[in-house]
Amino acid sequence: QVQLVESGGDVVLPERSLRLSCVASGFSFSSYAMHWVRQAPGKGLEWVAFIWSDGTNEHYADSVQGRFSVSRDNSKSALYLQMSSLRAEDTAVYYCARESCGGDCYQDFDLWGQGTLVTVSS
Amino acid sequence: DIHMTQTPSSLSASVGDRVTITCQASQAIASFLNWYQQKPGEAPNLLISDASDLETGVPSRFSGRGFGTTFTLTITSLQPEDSATYFCQQHYKFPLTFGPGTKVHVK
Repeated sequence: QVQLVESGGDVVLPERSLRLSCVASGFSFSSYAMHWVRQAPGKGLEWVAFIWSDGTNEHYADSVQGRFSVSRDNSKSALYLQMSSLRAEDTAVYYCARESCGGDCYQDFDLWGQGTLVTVSS
Repeated sequence: DIHMTQTPSSLSASVGDRVTITCQASQAIASFLNWYQQKPGEAPNLLISDASDLETGVPSRFSGRGFGTTFTLTITSLQPEDSATYFCQQHYKFPLTFGPGTKVHVK
């Protein structure tokens, strides 16, 4: 079954860190670039981060640049988002999403996980 | 950054109606525009890529068009299962950005 499953969401204090994981199955994970997209409660979608299939190139939204880091382990079909210096405005459901066009390009998100909720609150 | 806007922010229409949602980009993005449908409690689902390419499995009542800065998503013969929020998204350049969404209610 082709799917993405996120985990790691939690309630955390401001300025703390958290790592999200996304495990892929049913397709050749190492052939695809991947994204993280988030959605604050009741709000729209915000693209967060992107990583090439081989992990050699990354892009970030300005709102998370310098605080979040995306990585992957192709041997485990896993994508990660290391989040630090968390703020209340980072509260959201975080989705991992597959890039449809392959390993080193960006076009659209053709496969999404179910999301994992991160709540930043004191 | 490329700013995306959508109109209307919400609409209510009857089964069988034709509905059009407009998405505008703050600068020309050629045809690098995607449309997603999101139902409550679910992840978004890709409907249309590159302005007009219908994804496999998406009903043919959905169509998209546009180029440059103005794009439209049209649903002909609206169905009850089309109740959802629709988002446009540009992939012309980073940071990738989404429109704020259009909530469609089917009467």
